[in-house]
Amino acid sequence: QSALTQPASVSGSPGQSITISCTGTSSDVGAYDYVCWYQQHPGKAPKAIIYAVTTKASGISNRFSASKSGNTASLTISGLQAEDEADYYCSSYTGPGLMLFGGGTKVTVL
Amino acid sequence: QPLLQESGPGLVKPSETLSLTCAVSGASINNSNNYWVWIRQPPGRGLEWIGSIYYRGNTYYNPSLKSRLTISIDTSKSQFSLRLTSVIAADTAVYFCARDETHLHGPYAYWGQGALVTVSS
Repeated sequence: QSALTQPASVSGSPGQSITISCTGTSSDVGAYDYVCWYQQHPGKAPKAIIYAVTTKASGISNRFSASKSGNTASLTISGLQAEDEADYYCSSYTGPGLMLFGGGTKVTVL
Repeated sequence: QPLLQESGPGLVKPSETLSLTCAVSGASINNSNNYWVWIRQPPGRGLEWIGSIYYRGNTYYNPSLKSRLTISIDTSKSQFSLRLTSVIAADTAVYFCARDETHLHGPYAYWGQGALVTVSS
């Protein structure tokens, strides 16, 4: 199983919006509405921000939103803030019982 | 709020067996709503899903690790464990345990702080 494809890096200025893509196949992202997104700051454990494609985890800012079209899922961060600088990972259920992560995207706030 | 804590040797020799335990507190490991998961992250690299286990012992493994991997659970001790045999340098990683909030679909809402395991002679 190859990792889901994410851009290595995305950057934006404070206040701007950025979008991170996560491309899989018809066997994972395209097959199931079980895409999650995680935020990871250096030296920390990942933190769940989105699950079931579009649902925000508890306590997550409304600046985070997500969607899916075909084999590609996307995470959008609006009103970019310095604290959003982190690594972001998507994951998708691939069945049966298996999960696949994306390669990760480093978000830089300029 | 669930608290997960990984423990185990930080250094393992090549060809030997890597063993880690995840102690769960603040929540029941017998909860029928959850699976328990192992994930790893090589230094400077991305996350890799290792496998998951249910309190009844049902397991799912990453196909790329399946031949070397065993995940087990001890509900009496509220912990689950990872055993990876014949390790190589590429198994060097921070190993995380986490709780799956659904039956296998994620999200992983609660994580341990991670345990760095280095494979080196």
